[in-house]
Amino acid sequence: AQSVTQLGSHVSVSEGALVLLRCNYSSSVPPYLFWYVQYPNQGLQLLLKYTSAATLVKGINGFEAEFKKSETSFHLTKPSAHMSDAAEYFCAVSGTLVSGTYKYIFGTGTRLKVLA
Amino acid sequence: DGGITQSPKYLFRKEGQNVTLSCEQNLNHDAMYWYRQDPGQGLRLIYYSQIVNDFQKGDIAEGYSVSREKKESFPLTVTSAQKNPTAFYLCASSMQFTRGTDTQYFGPGTRLTVL
Repeated sequence: AQSVTQLGSHVSVSEGALVLLRCNYSSSVPPYLFWYVQYPNQGLQLLLKYTSAATLVKGINGFEAEFKKSETSFHLTKPSAHMSDAAEYFCAVSGTLVSGTYKYIFGTGTRLKVLA
Repeated sequence: DGGITQSPKYLFRKEGQNVTLSCEQNLNHDAMYWYRQDPGQGLRLIYYSQIVNDFQKGDIAEGYSVSREKKESFPLTVTSAQKNPTAFYLCASSMQFTRGTDTQYFGPGTRLTVL
């Protein structure tokens, strides 16, 4: 069965510093992986997704993530944090529900705080 | 603009009442989903629908019911049997249910509070 672990429920960075949000997955088959962002009292918005093409995936707002099969990781990074990046971030894996169908399995989220 | 709308944004329920949360999409997506979000627990799947007039239970369906009479609409009813309904509810849709690469698009959510 597929699963997702996000290390660190809260992460704080200074404005301009590197953002690193960690996600490890467990999957018996090649996974499809997603990062979503959620601002307070809003829905989720897709940042980027990995669908077995390039291992380095670039997303919106300057974020990117690298799929590392050997480490079963899909960490999210951004070179320079901006105050507007403060939000909650969710990693998800698309896992097989029954043959031929899929469902998302979400991590528990990481709340990013950006310090001025 | 295409997207997903949810109403109301805030909903208050008294003990023993059933309430219905609305979800509408104009993306022409076949698949729709309902999630419940609680602090520190991520998103948990309540129900999903692959196509009109079909829906399946997710991981936490007890105390909830849905219908899918139109492609655009997937309302969720929180019944009095749901013991702890206070949560943030998110509706989502995707083009198909049978493609693991499909992006799920989310509505803005409904915050339900039991008084």
